[in-house]
Amino acid sequence: EVQLVESGGGLVQPGGSLRLSCAASGFAVSDNYVSWVRQAPGKGLEWVSVIYSGGTTYYADSVKGRFTISRDISKNTVYLQMNSLRAEDTAVYYCAKEYTIRGDIRFDPWGQGTLVTVSS
Amino acid sequence: DLQMTQSPSSLSASVGDRVTITCQASQDITIYLNWYQQKPGKAPKLLIYGASHLQTGVPSRFSGGGSGTHFTFSISGLQPEDFATYYCQQDTSFGGGTKVVI
Repeated sequence: EVQLVESGGGLVQPGGSLRLSCAASGFAVSDNYVSWVRQAPGKGLEWVSVIYSGGTTYYADSVKGRFTISRDISKNTVYLQMNSLRAEDTAVYYCAKEYTIRGDIRFDPWGQGTLVTVSS
Repeated sequence: DLQMTQSPSSLSASVGDRVTITCQASQDITIYLNWYQQKPGKAPKLLIYGASHLQTGVPSRFSGGGSGTHFTFSISGLQPEDFATYYCQQDTSFGGGTKVVI
């Protein structure tokens, strides 16, 4: 069974850093795409970042230069390093397995999410 | 940038009703449009991909259609467990969501 489990969320002060983890099972992160998608309280879904099977990474403009996605193949885990955090980064962060062929991009399945709160 | 406009943002319905949600893309996306269901406190779940294809295990009361820039998502015979928020998605863009309430 394909499964993703996020961890690492918590309360952090503005300007601080946090690293989220996404532990995958049932598939190899080295052979697949994994994305992070966030959801601010009471708001919709916002794509954040992706790491491709080959290691290429992409970011939303809102986090570019502040967030870094990476992976540890030996642990089958994807990370999201978040620096210079702002109040507007407060959200539940989900990781999801991404299926991509040509223009067809789907996110399935998703992890249960981890809450990041940026506040003083 | 691609924009996905979903409507309505919320709707009221009763068990047994048929409801329809629309999603408008700002440019032609052929059939590459997906629909997700999200219940409170839970992660989104993929229901429909490629505009009209049901994900494995999704009940047949859910359906989708459309192509190009205009897409629809319908639930026929609304069940109590269907009250949730639904999102369309293409590429890395999500619609704003439609909350289906009793």
